[in-house]
Amino acid sequence: AQKVTQAQTEISVVEKEDVTLDCVYETRDTTYYLFWYKQPPSGELVFLIRRNSFDEQNEISGRYSWNFQKSTSSFNFTITASQVVDSAVYFCALLMNTGFQKLVFGTGTRLLVSP
Amino acid sequence: DAGITQSPRHKVTETGTPVTLRCHQTENHRYMYWYRQDPGHGLRLIHYSYGVKDTDKGEVSDGYSVSRSKTEDFLLTLESATSSQTSVYFCAISESFDLVPGEQYFGPGTRLTVT
Repeated sequence: AQKVTQAQTEISVVEKEDVTLDCVYETRDTTYYLFWYKQPPSGELVFLIRRNSFDEQNEISGRYSWNFQKSTSSFNFTITASQVVDSAVYFCALLMNTGFQKLVFGTGTRLLVSP
Repeated sequence: DAGITQSPRHKVTETGTPVTLRCHQTENHRYMYWYRQDPGHGLRLIHYSYGVKDTDKGEVSDGYSVSRSKTEDFLLTLESATSSQTSVYFCAISESFDLVPGEQYFGPGTRLTVT
């Protein structure tokens, strides 16, 4: 079975703190894709990153970075120097390369960044 | 931003009435999806489509049906709405390139309340 676990339901930080959102996945497939989406208070879902199972290089985009470790089945997301605008619910998702592109989402982590 | 619209954006209906939600895309993407979002569950796939008139069930399809008569439109129907179908519904689209699945882009969501 495929499953995504985001054990942190809610995280509160003060602006400028670094914060890491955890994501652990389960799959028997050797080819799969991992995603992060952001859902700000306005409600839309914003795509942040896609990573395939053959690429374990960490990625950095501005203040955002992602750490993919197949050995621990984790795809963690770090925000450096957090800002109030980072307040949102963040979802990790898993897509199996089974042909029909079905995404399995975690339950999300709510990040609250206070001034 | 991906050209995805959903209508209506908000709806209140009574138990037992039929409801149809519409998703319209201008991207000519092959794949379209309907998800529901509920607290504690993240997003769960209801139905998806991999082409005109080609649809299949997701993990929470009971009580829902879909139709796709044109590439750009994907309709979700609740034949007889129940209070358990009160939720926020998201449509998503995606494409694949050389058999590699692309990321899913989401519409703005429809908030449905069944009283």
